[in-house]
Amino acid sequence: KNEVEQSPQNLTAQEGEFITINCSYSVGISALHWLQQHPGGGIVSLFMLSSGKKKHGRLIATINIQEKHSSLHITASHPRDSAVYICAGDSNFGNEKLTFGTGTRLTIIP
Amino acid sequence: DTGVSQDPRHKITKRGQNVTFRCDPISEHNRLYWYRQTLGQGPEFLTYFQNEAQLEKSRLLSDRFSAERPKGSFSTLEIQRTEQGDSAMYLCASSPLDSYEQYFGPGTRLTVT
Repeated sequence: KNEVEQSPQNLTAQEGEFITINCSYSVGISALHWLQQHPGGGIVSLFMLSSGKKKHGRLIATINIQEKHSSLHITASHPRDSAVYICAGDSNFGNEKLTFGTGTRLTIIP
Repeated sequence: DTGVSQDPRHKITKRGQNVTFRCDPISEHNRLYWYRQTLGQGPEFLTYFQNEAQLEKSRLLSDRFSAERPKGSFSTLEIQRTEQGDSAMYLCASSPLDSYEQYFGPGTRLTVT
């Protein structure tokens, strides 16, 4: 069993739909990261959160520390949101190395 | 551009050859990480530097792998006697000491034939 698990693995939706990607973790973490990876490999950090909720534009990330669960939501999805979304837990042992989920491949159809 | 840079972006090599990758972190970022990502998987931690000190190495990092960060700035990752299983994207990330946020480079895609 992976220490960080995501669901779904693949998600296809129509433009404009509300998107939810889930992440559960079993390790102790200092923070939970949501990352976006486009074809070609480049990774961009979207959110880093240790409690509550953060919002940036059409993206919202929430975390429930007690349940060890986080969600990434995309409102009014657009084809340019198509990418792989990865959640990662940040080690709480002082080195802050990331333990990654396997990613959710999101495809938004126009 | 003052982001994390990696060189080369792509490397094709024959099995048994040695390869070396370079990562230039964001200036003044104390922490530097190497990760490896195989097709369809999330990245996996390889090793971590704080300044010039290599503080942690994953069990994934066999004795064919070595990483250095001699002056606490750029880092190199060398793979000796490459194997086909080494084919992957090698990602570098850096972060300042006062933040958990990591900034990723574009990666080096290694193909071992």
